[in-house]
Parts: sequence; C-alpha cells; structure tokens
Amino acid sequence: DAKTTQPNSMESNEEEPVHLPCNHSTISGTDYIHWYRQLPSQGPEYVIHGLTSNVNNRMASLAIAEDRKSSTLILHRATLRDAAVYYCILRDKSSGDKLTFGTGTRLAVRP
Amino acid sequence: GAGVSQTPSNKVTEKGKYVELRCDPISGHTALYWYRQSLGQGPEFLIYFQGTGAADDSGLPNDRFFAVRPEGSVSTLKIQRTERGDSAVYLCASSLTPVVPYEQYFGPGTRLTVT
Repeated sequence: DAKTTQPNSMESNEEEPVHLPCNHSTISGTDYIHWYRQLPSQGPEYVIHGLTSNVNNRMASLAIAEDRKSSTLILHRATLRDAAVYYCILRDKSSGDKLTFGTGTRLAVRP
Repeated sequence: GAGVSQTPSNKVTEKGKYVELRCDPISGHTALYWYRQSLGQGPEFLIYFQGTGAADDSGLPNDRFFAVRPEGSVSTLKIQRTERGDSAVYLCASSLTPVVPYEQYFGPGTRLTVT
C-alpha cells in the first residue's frame, strides 16, 4: 500500500469544525482512501472512505483533492467523544486484505 | 447486533509460556484479520483468513506465532515460548468480504503482558 503522511497531533475546540489533512502523493489510480479512528482503549473504527469524489456520511465528510494526492477528513462539529487517533489509509482494490496503519493524528478536543 | 468479541481482555503470562487468544467475528463475516499494536504505534497486520484458510500470513513475525480458523468463524491466535517483546494489544477484525472497500470491524483487543 502507498504511504500516507499526517500531522502527529491537532487540537480543536468543542463544537467547532475540524479539518484533518492527509498527504498521499504516491497514490495509484486503484487506491481507495480510508479513514479509521481509534478512541482510547478501543479497537479502531471505520469512519469513511472515498475514491475520487467527496463523500459524506453521518460521522464525517471526506474531501479529496482533484489530483488525489491529498485528502481532508472533516468533522463538522467536534465533540469530546471525537478525541481519538485518526488514521488515513490507502487500500488498493486489487489487494483487498490488510490495513496498513501509520501513526495517525492524535486529535485533542478542548471543552 | 453483536460486534467482534475477543477473549480474554487481559492476559498476563510468564516468559516462555504458551498463550491462546480468541476472536469471535461478526456472524456471516467471511474475512478475519489479526493485528498487533504496541504502545504509541498504529496496529500492525499479522494474518488474514478468508473462510478457513490463511490468505495472507506475511505479518507473522516468526514461527512462534500461529493462527487457526477451523470452521470459518472463531479464530485463535497461538503464541509459543512467549517473549517480553510479544507484549502488546492484539486486535481482531472481521469484514463481510475482503473486497476493498468493505470496512473492517475491530474488537476491543486482548492486552498481552509477558513478564
């Protein structure tokens, strides 16, 4: 899987939007962009994924750059429960097995 | 519905002992994955099952580690002659199918401590 680069940590205020960036300059045409998050003392949980177009779901939005070399996970109103480590992961459609996690971005949410 | 469950939640063992970690995937999920997470790191892939067979075991660190899924549901990760470096959280995940982009659902993990 291609490599991703994320900031080590970010902070946000409660009820404000949060934009979590991810760079993936070596992304291939068949790579999906996935985001998972891991709350303290829990296993990771799926957040969202996309291929080329921006995506929205109940948890978040995913904005993908036109050249697909970067993407941004958007939490529209951060809550204290959103404090977690967020992982940006590329998955090739042809491989279909493991997730390759980096060190992710640790998001702190201030009340 | 029930999520992925793992037992035990915590396991403390002495160096050199044998341990078994169990994973119960979500019912109907054909793909099952094992990961290991050390403190401050992201999860690291160990092995992946499609049905009863190991489709990719490239992440197993050495031959002390072995995993089975005999009936295509429950899986057991087995570690022989444990070493202190094996101390980590062992995570299990399942997926309806291994086809990308289907998501993986993770269990809470088993924290293994080797003394």
